[in-house]
Amino acid sequence: AQKVTQAQTEISVVEKEDVTLDCVYETRDTTYYLFWYKQPPSGELVFLIRRNSFDEQNEISGRYSWNFQKSTSSFNFTITASQVVDSAVYFCALMPNSGYSTLTFGKGTMLLVSP
Amino acid sequence: EAQVTQNPRYLITVTGKKLTVTCSQNMNHEYMSWYRQDPGLGLRQIYYSMNVEVTDKGDVPEGYKVSRKEKRNFPLILESPSPNQTSLYFCASRGQPTNEKLFFGSGTQLSVL
Repeated sequence: AQKVTQAQTEISVVEKEDVTLDCVYETRDTTYYLFWYKQPPSGELVFLIRRNSFDEQNEISGRYSWNFQKSTSSFNFTITASQVVDSAVYFCALMPNSGYSTLTFGKGTMLLVSP
Repeated sequence: EAQVTQNPRYLITVTGKKLTVTCSQNMNHEYMSWYRQDPGLGLRQIYYSMNVEVTDKGDVPEGYKVSRKEKRNFPLILESPSPNQTSLYFCASRGQPTNEKLFFGSGTQLSVL
């Protein structure tokens, strides 16, 4: 069985603050993929990143960065200099690299960025 | 434009009245899936399909049916909706290889009275 835990239900920050969203996962698969999706107030699900379990390099994309640590089974997401438009629900998800290949989501973290 | 199209976007119905939520993708994807999203529970998979005529249960299949007669379509059927099926539903599809990202539809907000 696989499981994704996003312990932070809701985070509130003021614009320009940095914020980190935590994601911890459990899986018995030796190879797997990790994802982050964003759900803005409009409701659609927006893909942010996919990470292969073989690749532990951190990734940076503009104000977004991701820290993957296999030793602690974590895949944390940091937004630098947050903006009001970053307000959304963020989901972390896990998919094994096997024939079953279904995506398991965490419960999500709601991020509120106030001006 | 590559997309997953769900209809309707909003639906209000009454207990026991059969309904179908349609889902269509134009990317020739083999894998399709249905999720429901509930506050505090995140997204949970209802059913998925690895290919035409191949479907399987996800984590919360009770009260739902699906069919995959064509590659592009994957309708979700509620034979006798109940209030606990009030939820936000997402259809998704994915191509090969299997590690590709899921493309999601815009969602269907269903209310069962």
